[in-house]
Amino acid sequence: RKEVEQDPGPFNVPEGATVAFNCTYSNSASQSFFWYRQDCRKEPKLLMSVYSSGNEDGRFTAQLNRASQYISLLIRDSKLSDSATYLCVVTPPTDSWGKLQFGAGTQVVVTP
Amino acid sequence: DTEVTQTPKHLVMGMTNKKSLKCEQHMGHRAMYWYKQKAKKPPELMFVYSYEKLSINESVPSRFSPECPNSSLLNLHLHALQPEDSALYLCASSQDPLAGGYETQYFGPGTRLLVL
Repeated sequence: RKEVEQDPGPFNVPEGATVAFNCTYSNSASQSFFWYRQDCRKEPKLLMSVYSSGNEDGRFTAQLNRASQYISLLIRDSKLSDSATYLCVVTPPTDSWGKLQFGAGTQVVVTP
Repeated sequence: DTEVTQTPKHLVMGMTNKKSLKCEQHMGHRAMYWYKQKAKKPPELMFVYSYEKLSINESVPSRFSPECPNSSLLNLHLHALQPEDSALYLCASSQDPLAGGYETQYFGPGTRLLVL
């Protein structure tokens, strides 16, 4: 079983619509959780950290469910510029410091 | 400013060449990383430097040789690479290794390497 799993998509989303997707992680002792976005042939860029209480940044909302070991990302009012691959990233327990665990990414394509 | 810079942006090299990739950050971060990323795959960790000392080597072949001359700079020396080493090489940094498992890593734009 992979440490971090994501639906690869693609999620084809009409402009202005809402899209949501999840990521599951296998180690219940995982420390921190992030969503990065990666555009084609570019570097991953931090989108947001994910906290147990849930957090929102503009049109983006992230949630963490430790009991079920998943995190989610919701994008409201999708823009064409939201088209990207969204990487779920998990920090393992502190004895594996530095070794981020990446999901394979969820591709989102926003269409006019 | 969360900026990590990398040079060169693109590199083409033959299997007998020696080249180096460079990475720089001026955020005062004390951990720096090298990753390799193939198309449609997530980044794979290669090396981690913590306070200028190599702390993680993910069983990377010796044809890749990292170097951390100071807290702002990270190099990756390349020698006798194979065509399968062609990939995007990403550098990243994070603030304080002693902070435990809560570190956010910031990535540079990468060097796209083609080995012929």
